[in-house]
Amino acid sequence: AQKVTQAQTEISVVEKEDVTLDCVYETRDTTYYLFWYKQPPSGELVFLIRRNSFDEQNEISGRYSWNFQKSTSSFNFTITASQVVDSAVYFCALSEWSQGNLIFGKGTKLSVKP
Amino acid sequence: GAVVSQHPSWVICKSGTSVKIECRSLDFQATTMFWYRQFPKQSLMLMATSNEGSKATYEQGVEKDKFLINHASLTLSTLTVTSAHPEDSSFYICSALIRVGEQYFGPGTRLTVT
Repeated sequence: AQKVTQAQTEISVVEKEDVTLDCVYETRDTTYYLFWYKQPPSGELVFLIRRNSFDEQNEISGRYSWNFQKSTSSFNFTITASQVVDSAVYFCALSEWSQGNLIFGKGTKLSVKP
Repeated sequence: GAVVSQHPSWVICKSGTSVKIECRSLDFQATTMFWYRQFPKQSLMLMATSNEGSKATYEQGVEKDKFLINHASLTLSTLTVTSAHPEDSSFYICSALIRVGEQYFGPGTRLTVT
């Protein structure tokens, strides 16, 4: 069965610290997509990244980086030099080729303190 | 990226009344739209899949007679919460699918039933 696990419920860091949000997924499909979204208090989902199952290259975008490892079914997200504006709930999600909809993890609430 | 709107962004209604939420894809057509529900401090859960011109598919545990979905055009899906009760208070988010792995979320509708 398909599943996304974000084991960290809440993380609190001090500004400028690096922080890694973990995501582990389960799927039987060989073709799938993985996502990270940011959800600020307003509720609107902010798209951060999409990765397909055939592309294991890590990605960096400014202070954000993602580590996709199929061998461990993980898609971890690192924020370097965190800032207060990074405070939000972050969701990892999976979309299987056969389904189309997103399966979300429970989310990790990140608090960055000044 | 593509834009999806939702209306209203928030609504307060009395118990026993019905509320309609609209989800529109503004600059693309979407044969398939998804409706998600998010209770406070929880993750997003798929409620139903809305397909243009056909009946919606509901997830297990979601009452189809209570949550009426209509996808009458390629740019509009509506969710009507009938005979709303306080336990229906939640954040409802739609997404419109362009292709598997590519969907766009609306900004969400916060429903409060008093």
